[in-house]
Amino acid sequence: QKEVEQDPGPLSVPEGAIVSLNCTYSNSAFQYFMWYRQYSRKGPELLMYTYSSGNKEDGRFTAQVDKSSKYISLFIRDSQPSDSATYLCAMSDNSGYALNFGKGTSLLVTP
Amino acid sequence: NAGVTQTPKFQVLKTGQSMTLQCAQDMNHNSMYWYRQDPGMGLRLIYYSASEGTTDKGEVPNGYNVSRLNKREFSLRLESAAPSQTSVYFCASTRQPEAGSPLHFGNGTRLTVT
Repeated sequence: QKEVEQDPGPLSVPEGAIVSLNCTYSNSAFQYFMWYRQYSRKGPELLMYTYSSGNKEDGRFTAQVDKSSKYISLFIRDSQPSDSATYLCAMSDNSGYALNFGKGTSLLVTP
Repeated sequence: NAGVTQTPKFQVLKTGQSMTLQCAQDMNHNSMYWYRQDPGMGLRLIYYSASEGTTDKGEVPNGYNVSRLNKREFSLRLESAAPSQTSVYFCASTRQPEAGSPLHFGNGTRLTVT
């Protein structure tokens, strides 16, 4: 079993919808949680960063971490066609240098 | 403000050929990484360099070698390419080799081995 599981989608929503993207993980030592956005033919770029549990909001984006359930979410409000991309969750514990990535969820926002 | 630059952007090799993928960053970062991304597999770490002068294996190092040429540059070499190495290769960097440090990625090298 991979340490990080993420539904690959694809997920298709109409413009203006609220989008919920999720990852589950098995390693209870994970403390750092990130969401990366990857446009087609580009490298991933950091979107949200959270340490330990709780919520973080940045504009239309909200990241949530529930360590008791080993579950993280990314919510996108008022989704736009420009949000169409692959979203990758990533996480790490306190000991290693390397991030553990989910496989990514492909999102399409249609006008 | 280039960030992480990878060359070449595309490459086609025949089985058994060798090549070096180049990566350079201009952010004065200490740590650099090589990942490969395959459909259905996600991003997998090949090698990383926590600081200049050090390199370590990641999850999938077989068939690859790396060189940390200086603080800015980190290259990935395929000595004898195989079709299983067809992939998109991403170089990334981060300021400090510490847990949870966010990565900055280049735009990838798309490699096909026939």
